[in-house]
Amino acid sequence: GQQVMQIPQYQHVQEGEDFTTYCNSSTTLSNIQWYKQRPGGHPVFLIQLVKSGEVKKQKRLTFQFGEAKKNSSLHITATQTTDVGTYFCAENSGYSTLTFGKGTMLLVSP
Amino acid sequence: DTEVTQTPKHLVMGMTNKKSLKCEQHMGHRAMYWYKQKAKKPPELMFVYSYEKLSINESVPSRFSPECPNSSLLNLHLHALQPEDSALYLCASSSGQGASNEKLFFGSGTQLSVL
Repeated sequence: GQQVMQIPQYQHVQEGEDFTTYCNSSTTLSNIQWYKQRPGGHPVFLIQLVKSGEVKKQKRLTFQFGEAKKNSSLHITATQTTDVGTYFCAENSGYSTLTFGKGTMLLVSP
Repeated sequence: DTEVTQTPKHLVMGMTNKKSLKCEQHMGHRAMYWYKQKAKKPPELMFVYSYEKLSINESVPSRFSPECPNSSLLNLHLHALQPEDSALYLCASSSGQGASNEKLFFGSGTQLSVL
């Protein structure tokens, strides 16, 4: 599968601050999925974006898919300690192949 | 809570041991996966079973041997592992329709240590 680059690798914020992680690809993505993995846990599916320019919200989380379908972002408003974990973007290119970005580890201090 | 169950949760084995990891799902999914995850790294695909047939093997060494006895079960047989094989082994499942919009359900994983 193609590479999806994810930045930043790590971010430490104070509770209440916002957080954004970005995924970029040099080629057009068929779709982008986002997963969250808590420390010591397993990846949990958050959302999938398919359409160009798509924006989806889940409470304080906002997911965007770029117009060219080459980038995506996850924005968390007013972080809470429960947001701690590693957020992965991943492309599902079909034929059961999911390619993960390297992930962004989020730490939230109370 | 995950609907994919993995056992054991932790496993310590010597390099000459033979052990098996087990995975079970009852969601009617027809695709099942094994992923390997090293600390602070993303999951890496090892094997994919689709309708109980091995469809993808990502050039995994033969000391890892997958088995899919039926549509609900997936095993990973381990033999003569190396210390660098120590990792979290994640099982996952999806509906198995082959479409690009399938989401994966992961189990809690088996944390494997090879001594």
